[in-house]
Amino acid sequence: GAGVSQSPSNKVTEKGKDVELRCDPISGHTALYWYRQRLGQGLEFLIYFQGNSAPDKSGLPSDRFSAERTGESVSTLTIQRTQQEDSAVYLCASSLTAFEAFFGQGTRLTVV
Amino acid sequence: KQEVTQIPAALSVPEGENLVLNCSFTDSAIYNLQWFRQDPGKGLTSLLLIQSSQREQTSGRLNASLDKSSGRSTLYIAASQPGDSATYLCAVRAGGTSYGKLTFGQGTILTVHP
Repeated sequence: GAGVSQSPSNKVTEKGKDVELRCDPISGHTALYWYRQRLGQGLEFLIYFQGNSAPDKSGLPSDRFSAERTGESVSTLTIQRTQQEDSAVYLCASSLTAFEAFFGQGTRLTVV
Repeated sequence: KQEVTQIPAALSVPEGENLVLNCSFTDSAIYNLQWFRQDPGKGLTSLLLIQSSQREQTSGRLNASLDKSSGRSTLYIAASQPGDSATYLCAVRAGGTSYGKLTFGQGTILTVHP
């Protein structure tokens, strides 16, 4: 595709429910990243994929968070048993090399 | 652990002024440094990327410098315009096993008023 696509753009969920956030990277980009931006805070790294493997998942805040990538393409970030502190904008980025990162528009998650 | 700090947190200037945004980082072992612009409700737009071996990069009215040894970068915006109003983010990119991972500063919120 022309750019990184994320869906949904907005998600409101009840506390305790599970949510899945999707990222479609730019075609051919082997590296994929997830970041989180909570209100008034900077972007936090969550996880990095190279191909379908995740050599760095050090930013995942708890075991309620998991992510996978298939076909060296689409990635899904899953948050189980959502909490109010999970409310944030979740941003996905992809790149072919370490020189650049192309970001999607993000998914705004609100846990009520 | 890499930490990135941006100063000032917010800046309000009249149109036409030249301005400087500052970024500092604690670990000089970076692969490169990237400046982004973030508009409300939108993703990030890359402005400039400086490799660790470079001293500066220029694009139009923007100039970014890098002093890797002292852990500092500046973004210079010449002749500011209201359309420059946005949040500016500085991010450093690590190498090694965290290949491509970005560590971001908190950002500088810039307002340029007519």
